[in-house]
Amino acid sequence: QVQLQESGPGLVKPSETLSLTCAVSGYSISSGYYWGWIRQPPGKGLEWIGSIYHRGSTYFNPSLKSRLTMSVDMSKNQFSLNLTSVTAADTAVYYCAREYTNTQVAFDIWGQGTIVTVSS
Amino acid sequence: DIQMTQSPSSLSASVGDRVTITCRASQSINSDLHWYQQKPGKAPKLLIFAASTLQSGAPSRFSGSGSGTEFALTISSLQSEDFATYHCQQSFTSPWTFGQGTKVEIK
Repeated sequence: QVQLQESGPGLVKPSETLSLTCAVSGYSISSGYYWGWIRQPPGKGLEWIGSIYHRGSTYFNPSLKSRLTMSVDMSKNQFSLNLTSVTAADTAVYYCAREYTNTQVAFDIWGQGTIVTVSS
Repeated sequence: DIQMTQSPSSLSASVGDRVTITCRASQSINSDLHWYQQKPGKAPKLLIFAASTLQSGAPSRFSGSGSGTEFALTISSLQSEDFATYHCQQSFTSPWTFGQGTKVEIK
């Protein structure tokens, strides 16, 4: 079965760059699908960050677009997120997920999530 | 961005109760609405797709309805494993946006 696993530092200093990777198993990214990132600040709702296709095309939440890059590494079957100039407002649980698209877009397979704290 | 508002924010119910959670969109989103269940410390799980299509493996006591701006998630007979937070998400227009969540607690 398809599984996703996030990895990255749990603590990032303000103004630095948050970098996360999502390793995919049970499915080859090169076969298709968009792959996304969603975050959940403590005690708050979910926020879609952005998504990337296996060929590298991306689309982002405009609220984060200026600070965001995403990439795919098909040799490692993983995709990554970089968020620059972080502040305390970026503290959240970060999830990677597969986009399920059937004329509409939902997220049908999720990683377990990784907690990222922005603090000096 | 399309704003999604869920009500109530939380509710207390007993096993066997019928529970309805509503989700309102700030503009019409046709049936581009999905529901997720999230248990504490876990990732959300897709429950209902496109307003009313039950995901494979989801219990039949869950149902979704609505179109346009008003949607509902109904649990026909609440079970102990259903105590969780439920989120709605629209996919009519990017950026995809979620409701703030509804926490279903044990009475």
